[in-house]
Amino acid sequence: NAGVTQTPKFQVLKTGQSMTLQCAQDMNHEYMSWYRQDPGMGLRLIHYSVGAGITDQGEVPNGYNVSRSTTEDFPLRLLSAAPSQTSVYFCATRPRAPSYEQYFGPGTRLTVT
Amino acid sequence: KQEVTQIPAALSVPEGENLVLNCSFTDSAIYNLQWFRQDPGKGLTSLLLIQSSQREQTSGRLNASLDKSSGRSTLYIAASQPGDSATYLCAVSLEETSGSRLTFGEGTQLTVNP
Repeated sequence: NAGVTQTPKFQVLKTGQSMTLQCAQDMNHEYMSWYRQDPGMGLRLIHYSVGAGITDQGEVPNGYNVSRSTTEDFPLRLLSAAPSQTSVYFCATRPRAPSYEQYFGPGTRLTVT
Repeated sequence: KQEVTQIPAALSVPEGENLVLNCSFTDSAIYNLQWFRQDPGKGLTSLLLIQSSQREQTSGRLNASLDKSSGRSTLYIAASQPGDSATYLCAVSLEETSGSRLTFGEGTQLTVNP
């Protein structure tokens, strides 16, 4: 049982490049989310999903796309990377009620130059 | 808009001391509150989750309390150890249907000195 896995762990992009951050979970959790963590800003929600085929925007969705075709995977796509997207990205999962505990992946550190 | 504040931002204590970390939130209509631990360069690990109907939760040397009406939570760490050194984050969730949406504080960076 690997829990929540994220790939890659580190990535450097040039401005304008696109890429996909991968998140996978083997716990059969319905809820999945993407957060970014920046110094002085805390963690902020980018996008989230309450089940396969259902996604919605969080607090800071601009410049990011998501899709949820399976329960296990929730990729985050950067369409045209900008320096402002330099951050650490975390994927999180949560089962349905009555459990509300969130499980986080190890993170992807992204630098955009 | 929900805002979460954690005080102090950093705390350094000698080993063995009991300590309290504080978390406050502006909208008292929360569904639950969760305390996390984050080690440098790592992801978040859930420590305690308190439902809005609960007053406290305990796990080992950790005790978290919740006063929803005043918008406050505290994390009490008994007999602190150097291994407790980490950043502690609190996060609130507003509604069950959006239960995966958490609003985080910026954290308290704790250092426990041997």
